[in-house]
Amino acid sequence: NAGVTQTPKFQVLKTGQSMTLQCAQDMNHEYMSWYRQDPGMGLRLIHYSVGAGITDQGEVPNGYNVSRSTTEDFPLRLLSAAPSQTSVYFCASSREGLYEQYFGPGTRLTVT
Amino acid sequence: KQEVTQIPAALSVPEGENLVLNCSFTDSAIYNLQWFRQDPGKGLTSLLLIQSSQREQTSGRLNASLDKSSGRSTLYIAASQPGDSATYLCAVLQTKGAQKLVFGQGTRLTINP
Repeated sequence: NAGVTQTPKFQVLKTGQSMTLQCAQDMNHEYMSWYRQDPGMGLRLIHYSVGAGITDQGEVPNGYNVSRSTTEDFPLRLLSAAPSQTSVYFCASSREGLYEQYFGPGTRLTVT
Repeated sequence: KQEVTQIPAALSVPEGENLVLNCSFTDSAIYNLQWFRQDPGKGLTSLLLIQSSQREQTSGRLNASLDKSSGRSTLYIAASQPGDSATYLCAVLQTKGAQKLVFGQGTRLTINP
């Protein structure tokens, strides 16, 4: 099992550009989520999904969009990148929301 | 609002010592508490998960305890090794609102050879 995979590992964007961060898991987990990690702020939930076709907002959803068309994939879209979105982004999955959560290796995003 | 605090923020100990990392949370309405390890520039690795009905969990040299009523958890590391150097994060899964983990800021641990 590859576990939770994320691409790309690093990305630099200019303000106003859009992009999609990819996340995939091969453990047949229903629950997937996106967090961002910032110095002094810890990890904060952006969006989550409890199954294919079902998504909901977390703590800091503004500027981000998600969809869940398959169990395996949960992409995160930045609609119009801003410097405030410079961060490290982690995707996580679990069998259901109440079970142990497994994290991907992260995507380090810089917006200039 | 749930708040998770980890003290100390950084800890440096010589190799071979036993040590305890602390985690406290303000709202006892949790499903579980999870301890993670994060190496610099890497993702989070799950170490131990304690359900709200449990008192402790063990994995190898690691032992995590949970006292839900007092809002505290500890991670005990026995016979520390330089390879244990990393940042340790605790997170609680709250029962109210979104199914999200609320993280502490972490304890940066350095084990000196």
